[in-house]
Amino acid sequence: GQQLNQSPQSMFIQEGEDVSMNCTSSSIFNTWLWYKQEPGEGPVLLIALYKAGELTSNGRLTAQFGITRKDSFLNISASIPSDVGIYFCAGRANFGNEKLTFGTGTRLTIIP
Amino acid sequence: GAVVSQHPSRVICKSGTSVKIECRSLDFQATTMFWYRQFPKQSLMLMATSNEGSKATYEQGVEKDKFLINHASLTLSTLTVTSAHPEDSSFYICSAIPVTDRQKLFFGSGTQLSVL
Repeated sequence: GQQLNQSPQSMFIQEGEDVSMNCTSSSIFNTWLWYKQEPGEGPVLLIALYKAGELTSNGRLTAQFGITRKDSFLNISASIPSDVGIYFCAGRANFGNEKLTFGTGTRLTIIP
Repeated sequence: GAVVSQHPSRVICKSGTSVKIECRSLDFQATTMFWYRQFPKQSLMLMATSNEGSKATYEQGVEKDKFLINHASLTLSTLTVTSAHPEDSSFYICSAIPVTDRQKLFFGSGTQLSVL
């Protein structure tokens, strides 16, 4: 099925550094969700965005709903070892259709 | 809140047997649940939409007779992999939309299926 373009595909960063990743689509989305998945587990919802331009934080995580409604960004500040995992964006194009389209994922590795 | 329980977390079965996976929303009701399949280092692939009290809607290429879905109550959906083959080995994840917040989607912890 359709997938969102998510970048970067993988990141290797030093503990304490900030992290930025983004998700882009060729079509407009009305909802953006960001998830984190650890090995052998299901994705955990981090942040939900509902309006263009919306900026929402959850602890050290901040996500933004792009003004064009075709992209979204996730930032993690002062990374720690437990931030390791795969981050997925997900978008919903139509309010009447509840299916989500998932990004390809960004694999984050923290170097001690 | 918004906990989705999925069982079993891991199952090993012989070829030709059937395996049932349960997905329960513990603290909310869900008229809509989704079943995904995930291969190693890949994103989630939607298999089907499970609707409470009605037939599931399957994505293109997913065999409905092989992957039987039953959503008999507002808190339980089951996926049965029938006549399993080694190529069915995968990580299966369910998810649920709370009726009180249909903008969000919460996932179970996944089931790793290995077919010998």
